[in-house]
Amino acid sequence: GIQVEQSPPDLILQEGANSTLRCNFSDSVNNLQWFHQNPWGQLINLFYIPSGTKQNGRLSATTVATERYSLLYISSSQTTDSGVYFCAVERRREAAGNKLTFGGGTRVLVKP
Amino acid sequence: DAMVIQNPRYQVTQFGKPVTLSCSQTLNHNVMYWYQQKSSQAPKLLFHYYDKDFNNEADTPDNFQSRRPNTSFCFLDIRSPGLGDAAMYLCATSRDPAGPYEQYFGPGTRLTVT
Repeated sequence: GIQVEQSPPDLILQEGANSTLRCNFSDSVNNLQWFHQNPWGQLINLFYIPSGTKQNGRLSATTVATERYSLLYISSSQTTDSGVYFCAVERRREAAGNKLTFGGGTRVLVKP
Repeated sequence: DAMVIQNPRYQVTQFGKPVTLSCSQTLNHNVMYWYQQKSSQAPKLLFHYYDKDFNNEADTPDNFQSRRPNTSFCFLDIRSPGLGDAAMYLCATSRDPAGPYEQYFGPGTRLTVT
């Protein structure tokens, strides 16, 4: 199956700092999503970004599909940004419905 | 707001005692998914329904079953929970087949097995 690797595995930031999270994948993808898992366990959709660049407030993401990677940028980090960030991809539709494969996640701690 | 709802948020069951987790959605999506997420791991797909068509992952244990009585509801049944089944169970939906393929997740049910 498709391999999804995220780096770094852990990240400690001072409030106000900027950071970049990376997601590498091993095959062409139809779908790529970034999620933030909050301390209560809920997965919050950040971006649906199989290619190109998107921005939402202090967050932005870029996927370079031809080179099989995606980047998530966090600017002016806040303590509420703490949690685990997952990248998930769909290689192809093997059956009706897309099958997301998740990376191992990046655990982010933003200190006040 | 349209959403994915999971009940209960926390569930405690005894070793070997059947348990059912529920998921409902107001998004009117065709596809519903169940994921299992163990501590400090990524979510792992168990199975999904496309309308009434059930699609099981090859490595999903037989102990896990699912039902989808209508578009809005989907249930996860664990027939004989073991200690290793303690996890967060996440339900998700997506609109298919025309796309887009974005998946939306519910808040999850955290299952404890005693």
